[in-house]
Amino acid sequence: GAGVSQTPSNKVTEKGKYVELRCDPISGHTALYWYRQSLGQGPEFLIYFQGTGAADDSGLPNDRFFAVRPEGSVSTLKIQRTERGDSAVYLCASSLGRDNTEAFFGQGTRLTVV
Amino acid sequence: KNEVEQSPQNLTAQEGEFITINCSYSVGISALHWLQQHPGGGIVSLFMLSSGKKKHGRLIATINIQEKHSSLHITASHPRDSAVYICAVRRMNRDDKIIFGKGTRLHILP
Repeated sequence: GAGVSQTPSNKVTEKGKYVELRCDPISGHTALYWYRQSLGQGPEFLIYFQGTGAADDSGLPNDRFFAVRPEGSVSTLKIQRTERGDSAVYLCASSLGRDNTEAFFGQGTRLTVV
Repeated sequence: KNEVEQSPQNLTAQEGEFITINCSYSVGISALHWLQQHPGGGIVSLFMLSSGKKKHGRLIATINIQEKHSSLHITASHPRDSAVYICAVRRMNRDDKIIFGKGTRLHILP
């Protein structure tokens, strides 16, 4: 596709359920980032992939959150036992590689835990 | 203290006014992004800067690497410019992390 694609665009789930959020980066982009944005706040870093491996997962808030990128392209953010506090917009970004290359952002997935 | 600070947090101005949004950062960076986010959540990249100045239409972005400061200017502001403007820096480090400011909420009144 032409840009970073995130699916679904909206997800409503019940507390305690498991959810998966998907990010399709721009083809050929090796770097992929996940962020979480709560209402009225700037995006907060969750995890960064370089290729298939998580180069930095220090932003994952707890062990209910996990992300994979098995083939170095599509990434899935997985949240177990969702809590109401997990409600946020989850943003994905990708870039060609390191340092001085532009990052491109998806439209985000709005997750609501009820 | 946040590594990326933006000011002001909120800004309301009349149509036609010249707008300045500031971003200061405390880490070494390889690049700085200015982003625009409209209600609904989608983020659009306006500029990527590593030095100097860039201009696109009514938008101008400048960066001073020595002072660790960047500004986004909007000339002849219009109500459609109303959005959240976010500064994001790519940290110059082996972790290559992008760090976001909290954003500036701009409201242009007709």
